[in-house]
Amino acid sequence: DTAVSQTPKYLVTQMGNDKSIKCEQNLGHDTMYWYKQDSKKFLKIMFSYNNKELIINETVPNRFSPKSPDKAHLNLHINSLELGDSAVYFCASSLGIGGNEKLFFGSGTQLSVL
Amino acid sequence: SQELEQSPQSLIVQEGKNLTINCTSSKTLYGLYWYKQKYGEGLIFLMMLQKGGEEKSHEKITAKLDEKKQQSSLHITASQPSHAGIYLCGPRPRGREYGNKLVFGAGTILRVKS
Repeated sequence: DTAVSQTPKYLVTQMGNDKSIKCEQNLGHDTMYWYKQDSKKFLKIMFSYNNKELIINETVPNRFSPKSPDKAHLNLHINSLELGDSAVYFCASSLGIGGNEKLFFGSGTQLSVL
Repeated sequence: SQELEQSPQSLIVQEGKNLTINCTSSKTLYGLYWYKQKYGEGLIFLMMLQKGGEEKSHEKITAKLDEKKQQSSLHITASQPSHAGIYLCGPRPRGREYGNKLVFGAGTILRVKS
């Protein structure tokens, strides 16, 4: 069983569309994250949820809205997609937020906005 | 904010050769994580270093944190094609108030030629 799974793996869409990426973890972790990796492979944190509560919200356009229906899921919804949103998005989870927590990553969703 | 620089940005080595990747921080680190990203996959935890002078090994990969806790080196002995990927370092977050926000350096792309 995949510990952190995200779908879809590839997403190709037109500018202006709205799309969602789903993430699920079966590790029993309390904390989940979304990271964005740009074309230069630079990985940046976007959001983090702990027990369904938003705890990290970096400077991300409000077109991006995370939703955590329960501890095991953290979905990312993107409105009015722009060309600059093209990137690989990674979901991750950790046991807690104690600063000593190892992150487990999903395999990524490659988003291409045309 | 914590600034991390990794060097080199990319590296091509012949299979069987040793190599070193460096991670330098502008501030004293609370600790340091090393992760590896295989192409098209998520990040995999390699090791975490906390104490000045600490050294850890995992198979043929050894990482060390210097005494001042501002620089870490990751050394691979007798490189194999399976070592290819992107190596990222990230400072250990300082506890709960930071929400376990793990940020990463720009990464080092490693290619191993057979």
